[in-house]
This record gives sequence, C-alpha cells and structure tokens, in this order.
Amino acid sequence: AQSVTQLDSQVPVFEEAPVELRCNYSSSVSVYLFWYVQYPNQGLQLLLKYLSGSTLVKGINGFEAEFNKSQTSFHLRKPSVHISDTAEYFCAVTWGMDTGRRALTFGSGTRLQVQP
Amino acid sequence: SQTIHQWPATLVQPVGSPLSLECTVEGTSNPNLYWYRQAAGRGLQLLFYSVGIGQISSEVPQNLSASRPQDRQFILSSKKLLLSDSGFYLCAWSLLALSYNEQFFGPGTRLTVL
Repeated sequence: AQSVTQLDSQVPVFEEAPVELRCNYSSSVSVYLFWYVQYPNQGLQLLLKYLSGSTLVKGINGFEAEFNKSQTSFHLRKPSVHISDTAEYFCAVTWGMDTGRRALTFGSGTRLQVQP
Repeated sequence: SQTIHQWPATLVQPVGSPLSLECTVEGTSNPNLYWYRQAAGRGLQLLFYSVGIGQISSEVPQNLSASRPQDRQFILSSKKLLLSDSGFYLCAWSLLALSYNEQFFGPGTRLTVL
C-alpha cells in the first residue's frame, strides 16, 4: 500500500528562525502532493500543492516546498517563522493511477511550535 | 464559490447513545465526499468516502456508518456510541473531475463521549 511519512511529530523553533518539515512518500509514479495546515479546533487549510511543472512550489503565508522525485520527498520550508505559524501540518499524497479510491493519503502530522 | 458546513460544532454524548453528524456542500455539483476522524494528538483517519448518491465506501470497520441521501449531503451515524468514538470529525469534498483529489475541509465537529 502507498504511504506517507512525516518523521518529525513535533518541531520546536524560535520565532524568526527557518524551519523545514519533512515528508516522504512511498512511490513517485504519477504523484500529486499537498501540504495542509490545521490550527487548533479548526479544519484543514491548503498551504500549497504540487501537480506538475516546477519542482519548487510557493504557497500561502510564506511557505514553500520542493518536490524531489529521486528522494521521494516533499519537504516544507519557511525562511522565518512567526508565532502565528504554530499549528499542525499535514503532508498528503494522491497517486494518479489510484482513480478508484479517489482519496488522499495523509501523513501523521507535524506539530510546529514557535517560541518567542 | 464553494463552502462546506458541518454541524453541530461540538457535541457531548453518553456511551450507548446514537449519533448523527451532518455535512453539506454548497456551490458545486456531484462532489466526492469524505469523513475523517482525528483522535487526540493523532493524525487523520479516513472513515468513509462517497463518489455519488447512495455510494459509500468504508475504510475502517467500526460501529459508525455513513449515508449520502442527497448529492451534497453526507451524514455520519452511529446506533450506539463507544468511548473510543471521541474525537474531531472532519468532512471534506473534492471534485470528481479532477484526478488529483485536492480536498476542501469543513470546520469539524468535536465529539466527546462520556
């Protein structure tokens, strides 16, 4: 079965420092990749997505991610974080051939804790 | 524009009582619909998805069920709640015509079973 791995369950970082949240997936055949953010007691909001084209994808709130096919990774980065970036971040993948199931596969999430 | 609603926002129910959570989508037709659950401090677990009226696929065997009586309405139910049913329930939709399944999430329902 296809899988998505977020190795870091929690990432503490100081305000204005850079951050990278890691995401790896099991197969690079025809993948579409997403990062979502969840603030406490809220639904998930799309940060960015990779469908095709440039491997560097820019999203909302100053986040970006790079699709690396050879390493089957889609790490999320931000050069300078703010207190307001404290949230749970989910990586999600869908595989183009998986048209029957029509569902995203989510990683387990990474809690980003920005400290003053 | 499309919007997705869930209600109630919070719910406290005793063990053994029934459950009905509702999700509706506005501004689109024939969406795929999904129910997810988040247990405390854990990731998202896909419970059910639906590609059309009356078509429900179950991902995890449990005491929950789902129904889609109308194109843009998705209901999560239980006849008898368990303590382990506590969690944050999220509904989501995606466009059937798009192969990449970008999903749009509702605000969620916080369910506490006592």
